Amino acid sequence: DTAVSQTPKYLVTQMGNDKSIKCEQNLGHDTMYWYKQDSKKFLKIMFSYNNKELIINETVPNRFSPKSPDKAHLNLHINSLELGDSAVYFCASSSRARQGEDTQYFGPGTRLTVL
Amino acid sequence: AQTVTQSQPEMSVQEAETVTLSCTYDTSENNYYLFWYKQPPSRQMILVIRQEAYKQQNATENRFSVNFQKAAKSFSLKISDSQLGDTAMYFCAFTLNRDDKIIFGKGTRLHILP
Repeated sequence: DTAVSQTPKYLVTQMGNDKSIKCEQNLGHDTMYWYKQDSKKFLKIMFSYNNKELIINETVPNRFSPKSPDKAHLNLHINSLELGDSAVYFCASSSRARQGEDTQYFGPGTRLTVL
Repeated sequence: AQTVTQSQPEMSVQEAETVTLSCTYDTSENNYYLFWYKQPPSRQMILVIRQEAYKQQNATENRFSVNFQKAAKSFSLKISDSQLGDTAMYFCAFTLNRDDKIIFGKGTRLHILP
């Protein structure tokens, strides 16, 4: 009964490959996010979707393409992987519609290693 | 633009002691939310405590409490009776009511020593 889940938890791949990370939430939230945590542990927002619509895109290379098939899912597809993409990627969700329930709940993270 | 600053990269305290983690932020907005998240070695991001800017009363959650000083733009976290399981990275975070993104500080690595 995990609230926010991500698959896979670890991903090791070669430079130039295309890969996807999946995220699902069962909290009934309407907003989902992707964050990137670099090697220095710094966390930064990448994307945000509300009701399947993109609302935040923070200067992320267009090799990164989020896809939201429904409110409970927000997948991250990365084309032509580069060494600098190695990081931990966190999915999160919150309820924008419910007043005062804007706390974001995070998934377990996916550690991506590009060789 | 909003910023969050954590001035203590790393701290160590003995088990059962009280420790305070500092956080300052900068914003020109009046309504916002502040959070402390904990990231243990398991990597999971866990919400520790949450504070609405319009509330004067400091938030508390069991052994965790905050000292929210709105005028000074300060939001420190106090951990009482610290436990070994409190060992983790602690992130101070900020979000606006009308904007969903969370802005994180760089984190404080806290070690609780036996």
